Amino acid sequence: GAVVSQHPSWVICKSGTSVKIECRSLDFQATTMFWYRQFPKQSLMLMATSNEGSKATYEQGVEKDKFLINHASLTLSTLTVTSAHPEDSSFYICSARAGTGDEQYFGPGTRLTVT
Amino acid sequence: DAKTTQPPSMDCAEGRAANLPCNHSTISGNEYVYWYRQIHSQGPQYIIHGLKNNETNEMASLIITEDRKSSTLILPHATLRDTAVYYCIVRVGGGNQGGKLIFGQGTELSVKP
Repeated sequence: GAVVSQHPSWVICKSGTSVKIECRSLDFQATTMFWYRQFPKQSLMLMATSNEGSKATYEQGVEKDKFLINHASLTLSTLTVTSAHPEDSSFYICSARAGTGDEQYFGPGTRLTVT
Repeated sequence: DAKTTQPPSMDCAEGRAANLPCNHSTISGNEYVYWYRQIHSQGPQYIIHGLKNNETNEMASLIITEDRKSSTLILPHATLRDTAVYYCIVRVGGGNQGGKLIFGQGTELSVKP
């Protein structure tokens, strides 16, 4: 199957700082990328959908000014958590697909800890 | 909102078949049933998907009832490495915003020696 990578795999940051997470499709061009968040013992929660070259669409309840998503190329999307707080500590997972009829492939996830 | 119902947990003996049920009684005619699994602290892994016919690949088989209101994922010979949370998902929508995968709570499968 297709490969999606994330960087970093884990990050620790101080409260009030911003942190950027990268999601890359390594062997295909991703017209659409998705960002999920997962708290311990819970399921994945979709945060936003981004299409290359256009603004991301956020799910209800997700603050777009806090979670900045950029999908500037067909192989890279970034999620920036701005002014991070301890409650933003979570497992962030991205996924990517080539087209609407194609499979969605997930990255390995990024563990964010805000101290 | 999740459109599927799965048992929260199941056990299976190593080497035996694992049969994971899923109810999706409100599925629309053009919606697919997808199965993913997530091993602890990893990203979800695609397993299989289908529309109305039964499907089989190297990982599993998917049996969809004739009325499409339920399905069963079958792992024919479960191993300890199959221990994971299994998610049954009905793929929603279409177009550029379509095809979102909305995860429910899934079934935590424990394969025991």
